[in-house]
Amino acid sequence: GAVVSQHPSRVICKSGTSVKIECRSLDFQATTMFWYRQFPKQSLMLMATSNEGSKATYEQGVEKDKFLINHASLTLSTLTVTSAHPEDSSFYICSAILQGRLEKLFFGSGTQLSVL
Amino acid sequence: QQQVKQSPQSLIVQKGGISIINCAYENTAFDYFPWYQQFPGKGPALLIAIRPDVSEKKEGRFTISFNKSAKQFSLHIMDSQPGDSATYFCAPTTGFQKLVFGTGTRLLVSP
Repeated sequence: GAVVSQHPSRVICKSGTSVKIECRSLDFQATTMFWYRQFPKQSLMLMATSNEGSKATYEQGVEKDKFLINHASLTLSTLTVTSAHPEDSSFYICSAILQGRLEKLFFGSGTQLSVL
Repeated sequence: QQQVKQSPQSLIVQKGGISIINCAYENTAFDYFPWYQQFPGKGPALLIAIRPDVSEKKEGRFTISFNKSAKQFSLHIMDSQPGDSATYFCAPTTGFQKLVFGTGTRLLVSP
């Protein structure tokens, strides 16, 4: 079946540094990818919708300059957390959709970001 | 984001029992009603989903019941197993693909 790969699975960084998270659709082309954030024991909150070749659409309250999203190809989207601070520590999850079919929306395994 | 409420927040069921999780929504434009299962440290995975043209759908031990007039849908897990212990999210949406995740229900199936 279709698989979405997310890397790294865990990252620890110092405050003030930038971190890049990759999301790849391994066996299908994803015109749209989504980025979510999840705090411990809470629900998933949509951060942005990423369309290949165009600028990402951010949800209200999400800082565009803080969370840079690039979707340069049909199989790769990246999320860069710039100048990370401890409050950015969270579980970040991407998802990709196949041919616009909701039943074919697959999630990555997530990235646990810890900012010291 | 539009509010989607799940109940209960947590649930403990004995092995072999029935687990029932409910989801209440406000947006009558929703036309896709999925349930996702998430294990600790992993991304969610689609468990089962329903469209509003049917009131019930069953896949193995998992059943969705949909009540359009009450704006609610529920997940029933029959013969619950310890391996079902996870967090479950409803995530209704319209055709625009932006899933609105519910508040989540932590299920623990005791051996």
